[in-house]
Amino acid sequence: AQKITQTQPGMFVQEKEAVTLDCTYDTSDPSYGLFWYKQPSSGEMIFLIYQGSYDQQNATEGRYSLNFQKARKSANLVISASQLGDSAMYFCAMREARGGGADGLTFGKGTHLIIQP
Amino acid sequence: GAGVSQTPSNKVTEKGKYVELRCDPISGHTALYWYRQSLGQGPEFLIYFQGTGAADDSGLPNDRFFAVRPEGSVSTLKIQRTERGDSAVYLCASSQRSWGNSPLHFGNGTRLTVT
Repeated sequence: AQKITQTQPGMFVQEKEAVTLDCTYDTSDPSYGLFWYKQPSSGEMIFLIYQGSYDQQNATEGRYSLNFQKARKSANLVISASQLGDSAMYFCAMREARGGGADGLTFGKGTHLIIQP
Repeated sequence: GAGVSQTPSNKVTEKGKYVELRCDPISGHTALYWYRQSLGQGPEFLIYFQGTGAADDSGLPNDRFFAVRPEGSVSTLKIQRTERGDSAVYLCASSQRSWGNSPLHFGNGTRLTVT
């Protein structure tokens, strides 16, 4: 089974609208962390936001917030007031405490977000 | 340096040749990771170093792939007898810690093309 599932291969959104990018995950570890990265066409991977499994509140970073629903194993990224510069690939990733070997991140396949003027 | 540095940025090689890809992590970061990203896909884990030792190499696809980090800083990913299927962007990342909220900081990658 896939550890990270991003069901939206592509999304078109009007500028200034809010965007929700979906991410569901699969783990049996009680301790884990969820990360979102942005990858513009230039190829760099930019860290956006982190949510820990024990965090009581949803994470926020500027225009980015994470809608964390632990029981549903869902960690959706919300971008408020979208801008043209938000057009990019967005990846959800998970770090498990010590599961499966890697202490790195396991990535989903990504969502290609295009903001239209 | 200010960020993770990868060289070369592009590498074109012929099938069957040997290549080395270099990664210079952020100073002080003990954890170093190699990922491979094919077109339209998310990064795929290859190997993780904690200090000088490979803590997890379970993602290396076969024995043609090998990586070293002899002094706990710079790392080299080595690919022998390259195949066309090895063509991808190879990403290196480093982090302060390999746990918790410590994010991975990525380099700009090396685009490998095997002809």
